[in-house]
Amino acid sequence: QSVLTQPPSVSAAPGQRVTISCSGSSSNIGDRHVYWYQQRPGTAPKLLIYDNYKRPSGIPDRFSGSKSGTSATLDIAGLQTGDEADYYCGSWDNSLNAGVFGGGTKLTVL
Amino acid sequence: QVQLQESGPGLVKPSDTLSLTCSVSDDSINFAHWWGWVRQPPGGGLEWIGYIYHTGSTYSNPSLKSRLSMSVDTSRNQFSLRLNSVTAHDTAVYYCARTYGSGSDAFDIWGRGTMITVSS
Repeated sequence: QSVLTQPPSVSAAPGQRVTISCSGSSSNIGDRHVYWYQQRPGTAPKLLIYDNYKRPSGIPDRFSGSKSGTSATLDIAGLQTGDEADYYCGSWDNSLNAGVFGGGTKLTVL
Repeated sequence: QVQLQESGPGLVKPSDTLSLTCSVSDDSINFAHWWGWVRQPPGGGLEWIGYIYHTGSTYSNPSLKSRLSMSVDTSRNQFSLRLNSVTAHDTAVYYCARTYGSGSDAFDIWGRGTMITVSS
């Protein structure tokens, strides 16, 4: 049971836009930054978004993040087959005094 | 290009202690980052284990805290994890990672991961 809640799977066609949600509480997302990671099969996670909406160098602007209250979203525009991966949200939890992840969302590009 | 490389035993017996080391190259462990561990059981999601600063300050997952210790060796530019009394539930790929900065919790650089199997 993950502290942050994500949908298990989402799907969309190439070229379309998809949104992945991440729901938390006042002790994590509501008070702390949100991060998003992409993990392709057999590889380590890759940071896509930090501090709610910022992109590390090299991450295309097709990936965008936002936060509102105790929820956050990752938007991926102009879907490509290479975007097929698992996506994880993360944050810090003030009650646990530890980092937390969502359960992950599997993106299928149809 | 900063690189992190995990090293570990691969196979650990139940009730034994798991020891992992992460070697950092092209960056100093003394710089303003936290150095952490994340694990992923087969077919499962990511689990935050903990992280350590070069001063020795640590934060740990409460569910693991009683069995976990972390250390840093600045002379070797390495940091380590020890998890005692392991069970099959500790079977996972273990990743070491670096936070984006000292004020960030996001991991921007990751090792490739090392598979640890707990079995007799």
